[in-house]
Formats: sequence, C-alpha cells, structure tokens
Amino acid sequence: DVKVTQSSRYLVKRTGEKVFLECVQDMDHENMFWYRQDPGLGLRLIYFSYDVKMKEKGDIPEGYSVSREKKERFSLILESASTNQTSMYLCASSTQVHWDYNEQFFGPGTRLTVL
Amino acid sequence: SQQGEEDPQALSIQEGENATMNCSYKTSINNLQWYRQNSGRGLVHLILIRSNEREKHSGRLRVTLDTSKKSSSLLITASRAADTASYFCATDGMDSSYKLIFGSGTRLLVRP
Repeated sequence: DVKVTQSSRYLVKRTGEKVFLECVQDMDHENMFWYRQDPGLGLRLIYFSYDVKMKEKGDIPEGYSVSREKKERFSLILESASTNQTSMYLCASSTQVHWDYNEQFFGPGTRLTVL
Repeated sequence: SQQGEEDPQALSIQEGENATMNCSYKTSINNLQWYRQNSGRGLVHLILIRSNEREKHSGRLRVTLDTSKKSSSLLITASRAADTASYFCATDGMDSSYKLIFGSGTRLLVRP
C-alpha cells in the first residue's frame, strides 16, 4: 500500500515563526503536491514537484516555498507564518507511469494554527 | 482556480437510501476522479472515469460522465452510516495530467 506520511497532525505556531511541514512517501512516486484546505474553498494547490529539485507554483504560492532534495520527501516552508495561513495542509503524491491514470495518494493532513 | 464544482454542498439522508452528488467542470479533461474525506483526515481515491467512458461501477458506487455537459455524478447506493464523509470531484487538464483541480466538495451525512 502507498503510504504518505506528514510530520505532524497538529501544529501551533506564532506569527513570524518559520514553519516546516514535512511529507514523505514510500512508493517511489515522481510527483508530490502540497495543498491547503479551507472550509468552502476545497483544496487549493500551493506547489508541486515532478522530480527531485524541480518545483512548480500552484494556484496560491505566495508566502510559501518548497524543497525537494530527495525523491521521497517534499517540504513546505512558511518563511514567516501569518494568521491567514491557519489551515489544514495536505500532502499528496502520484506516479508518472500512466499519464492518464493520475490518482493521488494523500497524507493524513497537518492542521496548522498560527497565533 | 476552481474546475470542479459539486452540488449539493451538503446532503443528509437515511441509512439505506441512495445518495447522488453532482460535479460540473469548465475545461476539457482526460479524466475525472472522485475522492472521499473523513472528518479531519486526508483524501482517499474512490474511482476514476476517463473522458471516453460514460459510466463506471465500483461496489456500491456508480459514476457517470457527460463530457458534452461537462458534468459527472456519483451515486452511492444503499448508504451506510460509515459513508458519512465529504466527497470531492477532481479533474485534470488536457495540458497537464499531473495536476488535479478539486471542487469544494459535498458533505454527506447518513443518519442511522
């Protein structure tokens, strides 16, 4: 079974802190994604990566950066956390083997609160 | 940008009844997927239907796709309390099959 793990289920940080959210997948997937989920807005893509050291902006990249130094790990960084970044953060991965079957596998999510 | 939009936003039914959720999207797609999310958890893939398919079944799930209307429906038959969750449709774009665009979801409550 594909497993996607995220470093924390719940996180509380203060405004201005630097925050790292880690995501690890164990299925050798090429693609990895970071979403945030807010009530009524569904999932919005922050960044995604299709290869090691490659990254591409999603719909809402402002205030975030990412790092992918190893294939299995994709990190989301909030350089200076703000209260409007309080949200549920979801990591996902998918393979490039079949271009027309692009199911994504999700981690359990990290609920981040910025005070 | 929102691609899939689910309807209704919330649905409450009795156990044993069928639940139907709809999804509309805006641009051409390669496939459309449905995901389920239990409260406070990650999403789980339910079913994928390709653009050249019209209907697909998986257990108690039935998905239809009408590309001329840019819409899909998810039917859960003989619902159970354990089906209580949020359901999301997701579409890819013809220009990028890796990225998915998710709708805002339908919250389903199945009353015992």
